[in-house]
Amino acid sequence: KAGVTQTPRYLIKTRGQQVTLSCSPISGHRSVSWYQQTPGQGLQFLFEYFSETQRNKGNFPGRFSGRQFSNSRSEMNVSTLELGDSALYLCASSLEGEGRTDTQYFGPGTRLTVL
Amino acid sequence: AQSVTQLGSHVSVSEGALVLLRCNYSSSVPPYLFWYVQYPNQGLQLLLKYTTGATLVKGINGFEAEFKKSETSFHLTKPSAHMSDAAEYFCAVSRFSGGSYIPTFGRGTSLIVHP
Repeated sequence: KAGVTQTPRYLIKTRGQQVTLSCSPISGHRSVSWYQQTPGQGLQFLFEYFSETQRNKGNFPGRFSGRQFSNSRSEMNVSTLELGDSALYLCASSLEGEGRTDTQYFGPGTRLTVL
Repeated sequence: AQSVTQLGSHVSVSEGALVLLRCNYSSSVPPYLFWYVQYPNQGLQLLLKYTTGATLVKGINGFEAEFKKSETSFHLTKPSAHMSDAAEYFCAVSRFSGGSYIPTFGRGTSLIVHP
């Protein structure tokens, strides 16, 4: 099976712009989670989608949003970019993620740089 | 609220030496605990996880961890370090929310292996 794929791998934007990142989970996986990784804050949970519904959300401002499509692919969007949004954004998928400790499989991430 | 503390942002060992990476957790309920590894420019990969049952958990690449409730610890060990073990290691504890388990990660420990 192909692993979790994320596109693009690298992205450079300027302050005030918006950006959309894409994640394709492992085939058959229905849960997709997004994380932000920075040197200062470490790994932080953004949100989780399951069956096209946002099931959990971390402590991030409303500029961060996401969605999941019927084929489980997911996108996250960041509007009005700030310098502090520069980070590695990781996507992870799991089989069900409901009421159990399913293993999460991570993609390689998208490195976003905001200038 | 669940949290984890990883003692030591950097650990340096010689090839062939014992690897010990420390993780202490805080949880008001029986925790689910994980160790992940991240190689440069890659996403996270699950090494091992503890849910219930046997407190000594064996993972991939020769790693193992022992859940000690009395010490609220979940330290990661490997008897003999290889150069290929050099990476960033993350301990995580899961909390149940909205029908799924959401991990909270430690700040990570960078393992350096000297020849």
